[in-house]
Amino acid sequence: QSVLTQPPSVSGAQGQRVTISCTGTTSNIGAGYDVHWYQHRPGTAPKLLIYSSTDRSSGVPDRFSGSKSGTSASLAITGLQAEDEADYYCQSYDNVLSVVLFGGGTKLTVL
Amino acid sequence: EVQLVESGGALVQPGGSLRLSCAASGFTVSTDYMNWVRQAPGKGLQWVSVIYRHGATYYADSVKGRFTISRDDSKNTVMLQMNSLRPEDTAVYYCARDEGGYNFFDSWGQGTLVTVSS
Repeated sequence: QSVLTQPPSVSGAQGQRVTISCTGTTSNIGAGYDVHWYQHRPGTAPKLLIYSSTDRSSGVPDRFSGSKSGTSASLAITGLQAEDEADYYCQSYDNVLSVVLFGGGTKLTVL
Repeated sequence: EVQLVESGGALVQPGGSLRLSCAASGFTVSTDYMNWVRQAPGKGLQWVSVIYRHGATYYADSVKGRFTISRDDSKNTVMLQMNSLRPEDTAVYYCARDEGGYNFFDSWGQGTLVTVSS
């Protein structure tokens, strides 16, 4: 079980909005460490979407946005498109474990 | 354009060794923080190791003492020497760049598959 907790799956119809949560603890997200988000399609390289909790990586559409509050963070995707179907991972740093942490991943299905 | 290309993945018996390579282009590995991240079958991403620009190295507890990360600046390549391999090391291994040392990965390779099985 990952220290950063994500829902295993979310789904939404094309054009709709979905959010993916990432819940941590006081030794990672709650300690002030930034959260970063990646999109990973099977068989391809993971892609950085959001860094420093809220900043979009170069070339990422503004349909993707990130937020952080307390010990949690969220990735929101608006105007869902078929190409958004992928696995999404949050990532942060833990100062007790002294390691980079990934969430367990969330599979997004576009209906 | 930044590009990372991993190689060296193979089928190896438990207790065996393997050396992975990550050839970089479009930037210099010695000026950034280079990482290995793995994904076991059906599992999520797991950070494995990092080599800092000044050469310091760090490892996940699960591989400490068995894996060694290194860098060949003349070839602009990062390596991961894996010894005493276990079945639970079976995974796709990705090379990933952390450009500024901010603990996020802005560029990734396509990955190389390591299978540990008898």
